[in-house]
Amino acid sequence: AQSVTQLGSHVSVSEGALVLLRCNYSSSVPPYLFWYVQYPNQGLQLLLKYTSAATLVKGINGFEAEFKKSETSFHLTKPSAHMSDAAEYFCAVSDGSGNQFYFGTGTSLTVIP
Amino acid sequence: DAGITQSPRHKVTETGTPVTLRCHQTENHRYMYWYRQDPGHGLRLIHYSYGVKDTDKGEVSDGYSVSRSKTEDFLLTLESATSSQTSVYFCAISAGLQNTEAFFGQGTRLTVV
Repeated sequence: AQSVTQLGSHVSVSEGALVLLRCNYSSSVPPYLFWYVQYPNQGLQLLLKYTSAATLVKGINGFEAEFKKSETSFHLTKPSAHMSDAAEYFCAVSDGSGNQFYFGTGTSLTVIP
Repeated sequence: DAGITQSPRHKVTETGTPVTLRCHQTENHRYMYWYRQDPGHGLRLIHYSYGVKDTDKGEVSDGYSVSRSKTEDFLLTLESATSSQTSVYFCAISAGLQNTEAFFGQGTRLTVV
């Protein structure tokens, strides 16, 4: 069975500061991991995905995530926060079949000017 | 953007009335999903479909039914709406292939009064 845990339901950072959103996964098979972003009143958009090709994955809008098997983690980072990064972020895991996706409870990112 | 259209986008209904939400896709993807999003719970799977007339339950299926008579359409029905079903409902699609992600619609905000 697969599951993800997102540590911190709310994260606040100053504009220009490092963004770090945490995600730990549990999977009985090699996982495929995803980060999605949700802006207010919109659906979820894919930020990036890990599919075993490389442990450091670069996504859109300057975000990246590193897969660490020993820590069962897939944390999302961005070197310098921008006001437009304020949104809800979801980590998700799939067994790789493309059939089932399991989502974390989300982290709301606030960027302080 | 993936071609996913949800209708209606907003609906207010009375307790005990039936409600049907529609998801239409133009991507010819095999898998379609209905999720509900509630604060503190993230996204929870209600039902999903893996082909025409092939559906299965998710983790929060009680009180909901689905139908898929065509590849492009996936309907979610609340037979007798309750206040606990007030939520934002998202449709998602996936090709069901290895390493593929899910694509989301814009959501339907349902209020049961």
